[in-house]
Amino acid sequence: AQKITQTQPGMFVQEKEAVTLDCTYDTSDPSYGLFWYKQPSSGEMIFLIYQGSYDQQNATEGRYSLNFQKARKSANLVISASQLGDSAMYFCAMREVLTPLVFGKGTRLSVIA
Amino acid sequence: NAGVTQTPKFQVLKTGQSMTLQCAQDMNHEYMSWYRQDPGMGLRLIHYSVGAGITDQGEVPNGYNVSRSTTEDFPLRLLSAAPSQTSVYFCASSRETSGSHHEQYFGPGTRLTVT
Repeated sequence: AQKITQTQPGMFVQEKEAVTLDCTYDTSDPSYGLFWYKQPSSGEMIFLIYQGSYDQQNATEGRYSLNFQKARKSANLVISASQLGDSAMYFCAMREVLTPLVFGKGTRLSVIA
Repeated sequence: NAGVTQTPKFQVLKTGQSMTLQCAQDMNHEYMSWYRQDPGMGLRLIHYSVGAGITDQGEVPNGYNVSRSTTEDFPLRLLSAAPSQTSVYFCASSRETSGSHHEQYFGPGTRLTVT
């Protein structure tokens, strides 16, 4: 069964606007971590943000925040004030205790000037 | 800081050839893994290791071998290359402690083409 689902193959956002990239996950383990990675056209994988299942508050890192809704098993990435450099593939991933990181299929974000 | 290094960056193989993709990390990470990335498929796990001498299969292990003789190195061997193995390969590493989830650091990737 697919553990990470990203339902948006592609998204467009106007520069300076906020955008939400969706991610739902499936696990029966009470302890897990959720990650978002960015992959620009150059190909490298860049870690953006992490949310632990026991964290009480939503994670934030600069313009990135993670909208964590545990009961709904969703971990959406919110990018505020989009910039042209945010155009990239974005991957949601999950890791249960002592298990490998599992990725979704990604969302391609295009920022329009 | 070198982080996670991968060699080569690009490789073209003929069907049936064998080769080893190299991966090394200098962060003393226990956990290392190999992924392949194909268009529209995200990153799929090939093999992983939780420490020297310990390896396990991921989602797509067929056609690949790994070994982990040292903490630093985790080479991926293609035994007999096939066109279906044309892909971008990423190596990653992280600390590994029970009850915690640590960021994985990725290498720059190896783009492999099998003709």
